[in-house]
Amino acid sequence: GAGVSQSPSNKVTEKGKDVELRCDPISGHTALYWYRQSLGQGLEFLIYFQGNSAPDKSGLPSDRFSAERTGGSVSTLTIQRTQQEDSAVYLCASSPGVLITDTQYFGPGTRLTVL
Amino acid sequence: AQKVTQAQTEISVVEKEDVTLDCVYETRDTTYYLFWYKQPPSGELVFLIRRNSFDEQNEISGRYSWNFQKSTSSFNFTITASQVVDSAVYFCALSEASYGQNFVFGPGTRLSVLP
Repeated sequence: GAGVSQSPSNKVTEKGKDVELRCDPISGHTALYWYRQSLGQGLEFLIYFQGNSAPDKSGLPSDRFSAERTGGSVSTLTIQRTQQEDSAVYLCASSPGVLITDTQYFGPGTRLTVL
Repeated sequence: AQKVTQAQTEISVVEKEDVTLDCVYETRDTTYYLFWYKQPPSGELVFLIRRNSFDEQNEISGRYSWNFQKSTSSFNFTITASQVVDSAVYFCALSEASYGQNFVFGPGTRLSVLP
């Protein structure tokens, strides 16, 4: 079946603009995760969803970052007033559940460049 | 605090050579989970293995093997008879949670297998 998809694959924006990144998880997967991969910070956990709720938002780097998930499916990561340090690849993953034994399946990522 | 160190930034080997990727972790918890992920040039992270802290048995899967040693806080990964398709960035990760999978990733090791 289809894997995790993310859109857009690439996004170039100007500093100060808002951006929305989309993740379509594998059908039936109740857990969804967002990560950020940057040269300076490596791979960082941002947030995860169990269904539509986000029990752990501890990884969001600032209040400019927010995420939502609707219908237990698609998730959107929104970055407001983008800064150059937000430039990174944003990865989404989904898993059948939130247990540590539930394997995460990753999407190809969205490369965000803030000019 | 959790921390994962992968001291080897880049490794180059010639096809058919064996190669070991090192991973050293830090945690104060007695229960934790260790992972290895592969990130090929396409960018999608691929799950390779998960180990819990109570299971120190080494594991072999085809050409891949893992050596988990709690005494040295290491979880090393060996590829036997490497192939060009093994070229990727490999990440070691640690999670102290039994759910939510809030990973701490190492910085990654870029493996290049030359023909």
